[in-house]
Amino acid sequence: SQKIEQNSEALNIQEGKTATLTCNYTNYSPAYLQWYRQDPGRGPVFLLLIRENEKEKRKERLKVTFDTTLKQSLFHITASQPADSATYLCALMVPDYGQNFVFGPGTRLSVLP
Amino acid sequence: GAGVSQSPSNKVTEKGKDVELRCDPISGHTALYWYRQSLGQGLEFLIYFQGNSAPDKSGLPSDRFSAERTGGSVSTLTIQRTQQEDSAVYLCASSLVKGGEYGYTFGSGTRLTVV
Repeated sequence: SQKIEQNSEALNIQEGKTATLTCNYTNYSPAYLQWYRQDPGRGPVFLLLIRENEKEKRKERLKVTFDTTLKQSLFHITASQPADSATYLCALMVPDYGQNFVFGPGTRLSVLP
Repeated sequence: GAGVSQSPSNKVTEKGKDVELRCDPISGHTALYWYRQSLGQGLEFLIYFQGNSAPDKSGLPSDRFSAERTGGSVSTLTIQRTQQEDSAVYLCASSLVKGGEYGYTFGSGTRLTVV
């Protein structure tokens, strides 16, 4: 089965710096990889999707990379703000093995003022 | 509606009782997913609907769990004879197309506590 690891349970950074979160997976190569943000007591909110044939995707201060050789995705938040503090989840889907996304355990990001 | 609506938002039940959790997806979203999230854990896939049919029930943890979807819209997740290990947040998500290529929209979840 697919195993997903996210670099650390928690990450603290200073406001204004770039936050980099890591998602590593094993066994199969996903067709799609997504990143979500989750705030306490709320459901995850979709941020970005990247396809297996895409190397990089950007949206405002967010950037996602996808390296199918390393089996890794990196999620960057530039010019981070305290409002970016949340848990970030990566999720991937391998269509041959189902039509649902498998989620990683998440990384709790705290941006300190 | 504008988003995915789940009810109730909180449910406390006694061990052994049955519970029903409801999900109202975004109008027009053909795909619907149930996940659960235990304290400090990641999201665990339960079941996926495409229209009214459930092509993937592989995540249901036991035969005490069942789900249905009617009219291609509202879904209910039923847990019979609840156990304490069923305590978790149950999240519903919908997506415009099969596979969620354009992202899932999640509800806020139902927090189930079995005492």
